[in-house]
Amino acid sequence: AQSVTQLGSHVSVSEGALVLLRCNYSSSVPPYLFWYVQYPNQGLQLLLKYTSAATLVKGINGFEAEFKKSETSFHLTKPSAHMSDAAEYFCAVSADRETSGSRLTFGEGTQLTVNP
Amino acid sequence: DGGITQSPKYLFRKEGQNVTLSCEQNLNHDAMYWYRQDPGQGLRLIYYSQIVNDFQKGDIAEGYSVSREKKESFPLTVTSAQKNPTAFYLCASKAPGLDTEAFFGQGTRLTVV
Repeated sequence: AQSVTQLGSHVSVSEGALVLLRCNYSSSVPPYLFWYVQYPNQGLQLLLKYTSAATLVKGINGFEAEFKKSETSFHLTKPSAHMSDAAEYFCAVSADRETSGSRLTFGEGTQLTVNP
Repeated sequence: DGGITQSPKYLFRKEGQNVTLSCEQNLNHDAMYWYRQDPGQGLRLIYYSQIVNDFQKGDIAEGYSVSREKKESFPLTVTSAQKNPTAFYLCASKAPGLDTEAFFGQGTRLTVV
């Protein structure tokens, strides 16, 4: 079964610093991977997704992620953090259609704090 | 605008009561999902439905029930059998395919009083 692991439940950076949120996946087949952002008391919003077209994926708000098969990773980065980036971030993998109806399986989330 | 609407945003339930959370979408998606979110546990799948009049249990279905009588609607009932219902509930819908993303509603925060 496919799964994702997010390393670090809390990450704190200074405004203007690099943001790096880690996600490793486990999958017996080529995975489809997603990053979502959630602001307090709101739903999830898609940041970007990997669907095998390109290993470096650019998303909204200046975020990007690189798919590395050799490391089974899909880490999310942003060169310069902004105060508005403070939120919770979730990595997700798309599961097998036949067994799970194309559901998304989520990691436990990483809370990003941006310090002024 | 297309999207998913969940209501109410906040809901309070007395112990022993059943409550129903509403989820409506106008994205013309066949698949709909209910997730439960607790701090530090990510999102856990309760139920999902791939077509009208059909649904399957997810990972934590005990104490919950759903129906899918219309393509646009996928209500979730939290029954009195759910021992710890206080949580944030998220509804989502999705187009067919493993490479398509899920679209989420704004969530319902349920509190047992």
